[in-house]
Amino acid sequence: DTGVSQNPRHKITKRGQNVTFRCDPISEHNRLYWYRQTLGQGPEFLTYFQNEAQLEKSRLLSDRFSAERPKGSFSTLEIQRTEQGDSAMYLCASSRGKSEAFFGQGTRLTVV
Amino acid sequence: AQKVTQAQTEISVVEKEDVTLDCVYETRDTTYYLFWYKQPPSGELVFLIRRNSFDEQNEISGRYSWNFQKSTSSFNFTITASQVVDSAVYFCALSDSYGGSQGNLIFGKGTKLSVKP
Repeated sequence: DTGVSQNPRHKITKRGQNVTFRCDPISEHNRLYWYRQTLGQGPEFLTYFQNEAQLEKSRLLSDRFSAERPKGSFSTLEIQRTEQGDSAMYLCASSRGKSEAFFGQGTRLTVV
Repeated sequence: AQKVTQAQTEISVVEKEDVTLDCVYETRDTTYYLFWYKQPPSGELVFLIRRNSFDEQNEISGRYSWNFQKSTSSFNFTITASQVVDSAVYFCALSDSYGGSQGNLIFGKGTKLSVKP
């Protein structure tokens, strides 16, 4: 296992369309996090899973956003009815228990 | 509320110079964790260090060193004899509930370091 894997790396979509991103964490990492990063800013926390349970959601995660981790392994982040303000880098990270989080390379979303 | 401030937006140095990246944090918790991550142009955040609030010992790892001072709420990062490969955006981050049900990191806005040959 070489690290956290995110697909796709880049996504261009038209405003109003739905998009789904996938994150495959490091094997045996029970915690998985989603962050959003806009240009010139640090990553902002979106949501967090411990195994399959979604334990925390940020206020940034509007009703158009939904995340799942059905079997406690990979996770998906879906954005419905995309808006131009959703354009950002979406980062996934995973950790094992109390260890540090390791990040993937992110999915860059551009809404046109 | 928790907050991380990295006042230096961009720093440019010449190779072999030493450089210090500043980080100031705010939290009301007595137990918290501080982190530094490196983000090269490829985009992936690379973990550098984690310190807990009860351990104020400075740490050195090769050319990297960290100075944690609770009295000034600072966690500064120094690169000695900088190299071109050190060019990246560096983020300082705070976690106030590490190991508990919450696991989110609060990041600063980052400092872009450019090391010129």
